[in-house]
Amino acid sequence: TQLLEQSPQFLSIQEGENLTVYCNSSSVFSSLQWYRQEPGEGPVLLVTVVTGGEVKKLKRLTFQFGDARKDSSLHITAAQPGDTGLYLCAGAPVFGGSNYKLTFGKGTLLTVNP
Amino acid sequence: DADVTQTPRNRITKTGKRIMLECSQTKGHDRMYWYRQDPGLGLRLIYYSFDVKDINKGEISDGYSVSRQAQAKFSLSLESAIPNQTALYFCATSDHPGASGANVLTFGAGSRLTVL
Repeated sequence: TQLLEQSPQFLSIQEGENLTVYCNSSSVFSSLQWYRQEPGEGPVLLVTVVTGGEVKKLKRLTFQFGDARKDSSLHITAAQPGDTGLYLCAGAPVFGGSNYKLTFGKGTLLTVNP
Repeated sequence: DADVTQTPRNRITKTGKRIMLECSQTKGHDRMYWYRQDPGLGLRLIYYSFDVKDINKGEISDGYSVSRQAQAKFSLSLESAIPNQTALYFCATSDHPGASGANVLTFGAGSRLTVL
């Protein structure tokens, strides 16, 4: 069973601060996705990273996939209240396995206070 | 209209009752999934279906059953609900993975079920 550990589990910061959320595993993934879930809604995809060492930017969000494809990070610059939500990482097994069975981390609940 | 629609959005029921949660999608995706979300446990896969004739158990299928009535419809049933099935349930869809193997999910808004 592939496990994804997310840290921190909870994060409460002030508007304008920077933060990093981590997603770690001892397993290798063919790709890794980040989702954001707002209260009363389902998770929505933010980004997919596929190549080891890959960095993707989405406005103030920067996503990185580890060189060994076992970990990922999400960095938010100058956080805003609209960034508040549950951030989930999800890994796809190495290609050739059951790529439909994503492994989800338990999430990081981020609160950005005005 | 939402791409993935779940009904009901909220339901309170009693132990032993039969409950059906319904999901319909307009994405045209072949693959559909049911997950449950519990605080501190994350999202766990209950069942998934690759097409109308394909149904597979996920990691926590005991106490649940599903029906894929059409490409666009996938329902989840609790034959005899129990309190520990109180959770937030999500339906999701996906297209066939691309060359990268990335299986991107589109989620519904969720169905909150409370079993008393």
